[in-house]
Amino acid sequence: QVQLVQSGAAVKKPGASVRVSCKASGYTFTNYTIQWMRQAPGQRLEWMGWIDAGSGYTKYSQKFQDRVTITRDTSANTVYMDLTSLRSEDTAMYYCARWAGQRTFDTWGQGTLVTVSS
Amino acid sequence: DIQMTQSPSTLSASVGDRVTITCRASQSISTWLAWYLQKAGKAPKLLIYKASSLESGVPSRFSGTGSGTEFTLTISSLQPDDSATYYCHHYYSYPLTFGPGTKVDVK
Repeated sequence: QVQLVQSGAAVKKPGASVRVSCKASGYTFTNYTIQWMRQAPGQRLEWMGWIDAGSGYTKYSQKFQDRVTITRDTSANTVYMDLTSLRSEDTAMYYCARWAGQRTFDTWGQGTLVTVSS
Repeated sequence: DIQMTQSPSTLSASVGDRVTITCRASQSISTWLAWYLQKAGKAPKLLIYKASSLESGVPSRFSGTGSGTEFTLTISSLQPDDSATYYCHHYYSYPLTFGPGTKVDVK
């Protein structure tokens, strides 16, 4: 079955960077776009950006444009989301999700908690 | 950016009740709207896409209507397992945005 499995929780200090991975299985990896969202405690979901897993083309939210990089490794069926210059406000659950066009996000990763604390 | 609002923010209803949640967009999004259910500590789960299309495997007690700027999600007969937070989400243009959520408690 289609599955996205994310890397484990991370604790980072302010100013550091974090990499969250999202490993896909059960479908042809390069046929879909993977998108990233985050959800701070008690808050709504916030879209961060996406990557076309086939071409590698990316699009980012203006809010995160200067700090986020999304890449993919087609040999490992894995997408990576790097976020730099972390601050306490970046403490959140980070999700990857497969974009299925009209069906929007049909499969989600389990989420990765990133905690930013000194 | 297109802003999404939802009402109510919380609701409590009994098993078997009919429940309706409203989502509004700050500008017309045609029918590019989806509904998700999220349980505590879990990833969101797609319920409805394109405003009214039921995702495969989702019980038929869930339905969606609307177009333009106003949308509704209806649960025709609330079940205990429906306790969750429900989010609407537009995909008319980037940036994609989500509503603030409606927490549903089943009494």
